[in-house]
Amino acid sequence: AQSVAQPEDQVNVAEGNPLTVKCTYSVSGNPYLFWYVQYPNRGLQFLLKYITGDNLVKGSYGFEAEFNKSQTSFHLKKPSALVSDSALYFCAVRDPTNTGFQKLVFGTGTRLLVSP
Amino acid sequence: KAGVTQTPRYLIKTRGQQVTLSCSPISGHRSVSWYQQTPGQGLQFLFEYFSETQRNKGNFPGRFSGRQFSNSRSEMNVSTLELGDSALYLCASSQEPGQGFYEQYFGPGTRLTVT
Repeated sequence: AQSVAQPEDQVNVAEGNPLTVKCTYSVSGNPYLFWYVQYPNRGLQFLLKYITGDNLVKGSYGFEAEFNKSQTSFHLKKPSALVSDSALYFCAVRDPTNTGFQKLVFGTGTRLLVSP
Repeated sequence: KAGVTQTPRYLIKTRGQQVTLSCSPISGHRSVSWYQQTPGQGLQFLFEYFSETQRNKGNFPGRFSGRQFSNSRSEMNVSTLELGDSALYLCASSQEPGQGFYEQYFGPGTRLTVT
């Protein structure tokens, strides 16, 4: 069964500094990986995905993520953090086999706090 | 395009009652999935519907059920509510991966409180 781990409950970074939110996954075969962000009292917003191709994927709001197959990681990054980036970030994996269909397995989430 | 809409946004119910939540997917999206979000268990998959058929189901008791209509709108029902059913219920829609799309788009959720 597929799983995702987000080892940090919270990440603190100063505005203007680069940020990294970590994610590792476990899945048989080639994974489909996603990052979502959740603001208070809101649903999840899609940021980016890795399906195949380049290991560095770019997404919304200046975020990018690097897929590393050997380390089974998919860390979310941004070169310069904004206070408005403060939110809850979720990494998710989808089983690429047919039986998984659209089911996403989510990590526990990482709270990002960007200080002015 | 309008996003995924969910109604109602907030609900307060009493133990033992039942509740129905509604989800309207993005126009053109035929797959609808439901997730439960709680502080203790995080985000958990409930079920997925496509073309009015349930394709996949998570590890939830039979009190949780759903359906999808011909216009792709979906409802989920929880019967005999328990305190532990208090959660944010999220609906997500997506196009079929065969068309090159894989991501799901989420609605704002329905916050259910069981007292």
